[in-house]
Amino acid sequence: AQKVTQAQTEISVVEKEDVTLDCVYETRDTTYYLFWYKQPPSGELVFLIRRNSFDEQNEISGRYSWNFQKSTSSFNFTITASQVVDSAVYFCALGSNAGGTSYGKLTFGQGNILTVHP
Amino acid sequence: KAGVTQTPRYLIKTRGQQVTLSCSPISGHRSVSWYQQTPGQGLQFLFEYFSETQRNKGNFPGRFSGRQFSNSRSEMNVSTLELGDSALYLCASSERGPHATNEKLFFGSGTQLSVL
Repeated sequence: AQKVTQAQTEISVVEKEDVTLDCVYETRDTTYYLFWYKQPPSGELVFLIRRNSFDEQNEISGRYSWNFQKSTSSFNFTITASQVVDSAVYFCALGSNAGGTSYGKLTFGQGNILTVHP
Repeated sequence: KAGVTQTPRYLIKTRGQQVTLSCSPISGHRSVSWYQQTPGQGLQFLFEYFSETQRNKGNFPGRFSGRQFSNSRSEMNVSTLELGDSALYLCASSERGPHATNEKLFFGSGTQLSVL
């Protein structure tokens, strides 16, 4: 069975602080993929990034960066110089390329509630 | 391109009733997935459809069903509603399904169902 753990339920920071959201995953599949999504109060899950198990490089996009470490089964997300607009719930999700019963299914973590104070 | 559209946005039903939720995927997307989000259980996979065929189903009772039409629009139905079915139901679409390499999965704003 697949599992995603986001240990920090609620995180509170002051604007301009850096914040890292942790994601640890469990899977027996050798080929898999991971997502990060942001959920603002409107409810829609906003796509942030996808990484495949075979991707080797970490990624930076503006103030966002992701650190994918297969050796520790972690896919952490860092926001640099946080802003009030970053306040949202952030989800890490895991899917498998094994086929069959894994088609289309994502396993989500419980989410990190991030609050950025002015 | 328009995003994933879910209707209605809010719905109030009573126990024992049935409900149908609708999802229109992004144009050109043939895969539609459904998720249930509750404070206690978080986001849980319901089912995934591709070209009118259900490819996968989550661990939900048979009261939860869905279908996909030839234009890729999808509906999910919950019969004999229970209080515990109160949740945000989210629909997501992609071109080939999230398991396809580098495929992105786009979500709608959801339907908030309240069962009284």
